This record gives sequence, structure tokens and C-alpha cells, in this order.
Amino acid sequence: ELKVEQNPLFLSMQEGKNYTIYCNYSTTSDRLYWYRQDPGKSLESLFVLLSNGAVKQEGRLMASLDTKARLSTLHITAAVHDLSATYFCAVDILLIKLIFGQGTTLQVKP
Amino acid sequence: DTAVSQTPKYLVTQMGNDKSIKCEQNLGHDTMYWYKQDSKKFLKIMFSYNNKELIINETVPNRFSPKSPDKAHLNLHINSLELGDSAVYFCASSLIGDGEQFFGPGTRLTVL
Repeated sequence: ELKVEQNPLFLSMQEGKNYTIYCNYSTTSDRLYWYRQDPGKSLESLFVLLSNGAVKQEGRLMASLDTKARLSTLHITAAVHDLSATYFCAVDILLIKLIFGQGTTLQVKP
Repeated sequence: DTAVSQTPKYLVTQMGNDKSIKCEQNLGHDTMYWYKQDSKKFLKIMFSYNNKELIINETVPNRFSPKSPDKAHLNLHINSLELGDSAVYFCASSLIGDGEQFFGPGTRLTVL
């Protein structure tokens, strides 16, 4: 059974600190997505990673993909309160469905 | 202009009732999906339609019946609602072969 596991599931951090969220998956896939969800809201697409070694950056967030290790990371640099949300990775299966990780709830404290 | 829309946003109903959720997308996509997000925020795909044809049915009870009248619409009808059906249901769309999915605002279903 395909598994997508995020680590940690909950992260409380101080503003200004750096941290990394990990996403491990158990099957071959060259595509992975990161989404953000605010409480009571929909999922917002953050990054689309389409090949091994892909790295994307937007503001204080940077995502990378290592398909050989079946690992993606979402790095947060100098966190600010506005980044508080739940972050999901999702593995693409044959371009027809996404399998989501459990989500990582990030809480950034002043 | 809303890309993927769902109605209603909230749905509160009694056990045993039948209810429907509607989804529409104006992105020109050809594939639409239903996902269920449970109380622990876990997201799981339920169904996928491509050009009105069912392509994914993820071991969902027969009480759930999706219908796609055209490639811009995907509805979800649920019969004999149970307490365990309480969740947030998200509709999404994409272009087949592209992979990236765009999500609607969600419908929060509460079964009492």
C-alpha cells in the first residue's frame, strides 16, 4: 500500500527560526506537490516539483525533491507568523490521482 | 472569478437523509475529483472523472454516487447518510496528464 508520511505532524516554532518539514513516500513517482491549508479554508498550491533534483523557492519557503530517496523537503527560513498553517505534500500517481501526507501543522509564535 | 466552486458550503442533516453537493470549474480542465477530509485533516481521494467518464473509484461505499453531466461539473450524491460521513468534501480539477490539481472551497457536512 502506498504511504506518504510527513514529519513532523506538528511544529511550533519562534519567529525568525529555520526548520524543515520532511515528506517520505513509498512508491516510484517523479512528481510531488506541496499545498497550504489555512483553518477552515481550501488547499492552495505552493510548489510543483516535476523531476529528481527539482528545487523551487517562493519567499521564505523552499521545496526540493529527491525521487531516488523518495523524499521531499519543505524548508522554512526565518519564519513569520503569516506562515502558520497546515502544509501537505501530495505524491502524483500516474498523473491521475494524488496521495496526500497527513499534513504538518505549523504554528509560528512571535 | 472563482475557478472551482462548490455548493453548499455547509450542510447539516440528520442520519438517514439523502443529500447532494455540487461542483463547477471554469478552468477548462477535463478531469475532476472528489476528496474527503476527515476530522484529523487527512485527505483521501474518492472519485475522479475525465471527460464525464469515471476513472477512479477508491473503495467508497455505494451510498456515494458521483455524476458528471459535463466536464465542467461533478456532483456528489450521498444516500442514507451516516455519522461517519461527517467531514469536509473537496472538489478539485486538473488537466489530464498535467497532474496539478486546483481545489474548491470545500463543503462541510455534519450528520447528526
